[in-house]
Amino acid sequence: QVQLQESGPGLVKPSETLSLTCTVSGGSISDYYWNWIRQPPGKGLEWIGYVYYSGTTYYNPSLRGRLTISVDTSNNQFSLNLNSLTAADTAVYYCARGQRWEQYFDSWGQGSLVTVSS
Amino acid sequence: ETVMTQSPATLSVSPGERATLSCRASQRISNNLAWYQQRPGQAPRLLIYGTSTRATGFPARFSATGSGTEFTLSIDSLQAEDFAIYYCQQYNFWPYTFGQGTKLVIK
Repeated sequence: QVQLQESGPGLVKPSETLSLTCTVSGGSISDYYWNWIRQPPGKGLEWIGYVYYSGTTYYNPSLRGRLTISVDTSNNQFSLNLNSLTAADTAVYYCARGQRWEQYFDSWGQGSLVTVSS
Repeated sequence: ETVMTQSPATLSVSPGERATLSCRASQRISNNLAWYQQRPGQAPRLLIYGTSTRATGFPARFSATGSGTEFTLSIDSLQAEDFAIYYCQQYNFWPYTFGQGTKLVIK
């Protein structure tokens, strides 16, 4: 069974860049879409964007311009970079797998809390 | 962007009874609708995909229907572990969007 694990800093300063990595184990990164989703404390879910194993990406327009998602198939990892951070970016960040033909998320990481504060 | 609206925001139901949760899309999304269950402190877990197909690990007392813009999740014979937050998600249009969630609480 595939497992996903987020890693990255828990605290980032305003205006800086957040870098998170998701490591995929128990399965191949090929033939799936790899997504980032976030959840501000006490609030709902927001889809951030995805990367296909081939490198194709799609980003939520609300974050486009600040966001880069990339994939490293040799290490079964994909990453998120979000710049120009503000307090509004404080959230639990999840990585999740999407199916090739239908973009529901069938496997999720446990989540990584990122706080933006000086 | 496709707006997903869930109702009610909070649903109070007694154990053993039936809960019915609603999700409405701002435009037709075919059957590209999923439901997730989120317990406190945990990641969301896929419950339903393709409007009505149960994901692995969920019993038959979870069922879902719908089409177009109106979707429903039903939970029969509520058990203690079912009290959680439920989110719907459309994956017919970019960007993929979630409803704001329905919190199912014990009455």
